[in-house]
Amino acid sequence: GAVVSQHPSWVICKSGTSVKIECRSLDFQATTMFWYRQFPKQSLMLMATSNEGSKATYEQGVEKDKFLINHASLTLSTLTVTSAHPEDSSFYICSARDRYQYFGPGTRLLVL
Amino acid sequence: GQQLNQSPQSMFIQEGEDVSMNCTSSSIFNTWLWYKQDPGEGPVLLIALYKAGELTSNGRLTAQFGITRKDSFLNISASIPSDVGIYFCALEYGNKLVFGAGTILRVKS
Repeated sequence: GAVVSQHPSWVICKSGTSVKIECRSLDFQATTMFWYRQFPKQSLMLMATSNEGSKATYEQGVEKDKFLINHASLTLSTLTVTSAHPEDSSFYICSARDRYQYFGPGTRLLVL
Repeated sequence: GQQLNQSPQSMFIQEGEDVSMNCTSSSIFNTWLWYKQDPGEGPVLLIALYKAGELTSNGRLTAQFGITRKDSFLNISASIPSDVGIYFCALEYGNKLVFGAGTILRVKS
């Protein structure tokens, strides 16, 4: 149990385009989901907390207009990277909270 | 914010050896978690600890919640090549997780 999926697993896009990443809890409902960013050989950095039916809570230094989060249902949260630039290239990981936080497999974003 | 000190930073061991890593925090917490992350994947929960002094096993993995509730240890017995990866300790702080910097485990077969 406690399976979380992410789609796509990797994406390459041109600078200036927007990219949407989906996070789904497959076998449980999650009122709260989280979005992380991870740079090579570093730990996970929390970007925002996504709450079903309400606005996301962003960590300090994370631009909410740049990283749009929508938690439309108890099993789906989306992260949209708007007007992506090369510096947004990274590994994005979501998690969903059941008893503990369970993580998706991650999405690797490369912005050219 | 809360900080975790995780050590060692990396380990390179022989297959079959036992492995030990630890984490310490600056404050007392009620829950310690250990995750493993394989290359290119998301972290997977290995063990959750929520009682001071608690020792919990998951196959060849054993984790302990320190008596002071400020530290935790993860031990892997008889390491095998698939143990390669990054091991993270984590604490629940409010609704969020605070992660250690990770221990990179490399196993020489």
